[in-house]
Amino acid sequence: KNEVEQSPQNLTAQEGEFITINCSYSVGISALHWLQQHPGGGIVSLFMLSSGKKKHGRLIATINIQEKHSSLHITASHPRDSAVYICAVRSNSGGSNYKLTFGKGTLLTVNP
Amino acid sequence: DVKVTQSSRYLVKRTGEKVFLECVQDMDHENMFWYRQDPGLGLRLIYFSYDVKMKEKGDIPEGYSVSREKKERFSLILESASTNQTSMYLCASSGTGLVAFFGQGTRLTVV
Repeated sequence: KNEVEQSPQNLTAQEGEFITINCSYSVGISALHWLQQHPGGGIVSLFMLSSGKKKHGRLIATINIQEKHSSLHITASHPRDSAVYICAVRSNSGGSNYKLTFGKGTLLTVNP
Repeated sequence: DVKVTQSSRYLVKRTGEKVFLECVQDMDHENMFWYRQDPGLGLRLIYFSYDVKMKEKGDIPEGYSVSREKKERFSLILESASTNQTSMYLCASSGTGLVAFFGQGTRLTVV
């Protein structure tokens, strides 16, 4: 079982819709990252969270440490939001605390 | 503007060739990483380095080696390329703040 599970794997939305992508993890973590990967490969870090909620423009990320769950929300979605969104966690259990474990990603397509 | 730069966007190599993938970062980061990304498998860590000349194996190091002679440069080496090493390769770096910065990726095809 993957330590980081994302859902859904694929998501298609109409422009303007509110979008939620979920991430569940099974290990203790020191931080959780949400990443965005556009076609062509480059990955951009959107958020790094260790508690609570962060907002940047139309993007909101929340984390519930007790439930080991995080969500990424996109308000008023736009076709340019179409990308793969990846959740990654940094474990706090011994060893190297700078290694990330990744979910398999959610492919979001926003249609005009 | 922070930068992690990978030397090539696309590479085609023959089976058995020695392949070098180069990554340079300009943020004075201690930590650098090499990942490969395959459909349905997500990103998997090949090797990482937390200091010059220091390296540790990741989850899938077989068939790969790395070199970090200078802080800003981290090289991934495929000693004898094989077709199952056809993949997207991503380099990343992070400092004490632990936010990861990624390169644009190198799509390697081994024929």
